[in-house]
Amino acid sequence: SQTIHQWPATLVQPVGSPLSLECTVEGTSNPNLYWYRQAAGRGLQLLFYSVGIGQISSEVPQNLSASRPQDRQFILSSKKLLLSDSGFYLCAWTPTARDEQYFGPGTRLTVT
Amino acid sequence: AQSVTQLGSHVSVSEGALVLLRCNYSSSVPPYLFWYVQYPNQGLQLLLKYTTGATLVKGINGFEAEFKKSETSFHLTKPSAHMSDAAEYFCAVSPLRGGGNKLTFGTGTQLKVEL
Repeated sequence: SQTIHQWPATLVQPVGSPLSLECTVEGTSNPNLYWYRQAAGRGLQLLFYSVGIGQISSEVPQNLSASRPQDRQFILSSKKLLLSDSGFYLCAWTPTARDEQYFGPGTRLTVT
Repeated sequence: AQSVTQLGSHVSVSEGALVLLRCNYSSSVPPYLFWYVQYPNQGLQLLLKYTTGATLVKGINGFEAEFKKSETSFHLTKPSAHMSDAAEYFCAVSPLRGGGNKLTFGTGTQLKVEL
């Protein structure tokens, strides 16, 4: 069966520090991958999605970036965090030729 | 462009009462529709989905939803609420069929279940 992992589960970082969040999917190949952010009391904001290795589409201009170095690995990064980057970050994947998304457990990021 | 509207950011029901969470969508083509549930500090879990065929779809945990094209709605229901149903619920729409298209999510409805 397929599983999706995210780490770390929680992270507290100072303003101006770098960020790297990792997402890995097991048990499938060539998934579509997505990064979302969920700010307190708000809905889901799609940040990036990827349909293949090295193929990244950005939905919202910001100081975040994403990379997909391997088929089942998706990384969210920042060179300098802002206070507004705090939130709950969710990774999701879609099986090939399907539409439903399956979500990871999330990473709670607090920027201080 | 597609959009999703969830009426009522907070809904409160008594245990054993009917749960009704509303979702209306706007899409230029017949969409795929989804309901997700999120428990505190967890990821989203797929409850059910409508793609084609029968317009009444059943999901996990006793939930079901009915696609009504004429009303552009996809309301989520459960006949009898349980304390464990307390969570946030998200409706989502995919405008294109197949191929892992992006989903558009509603802003969510927080369900509270009271004794």
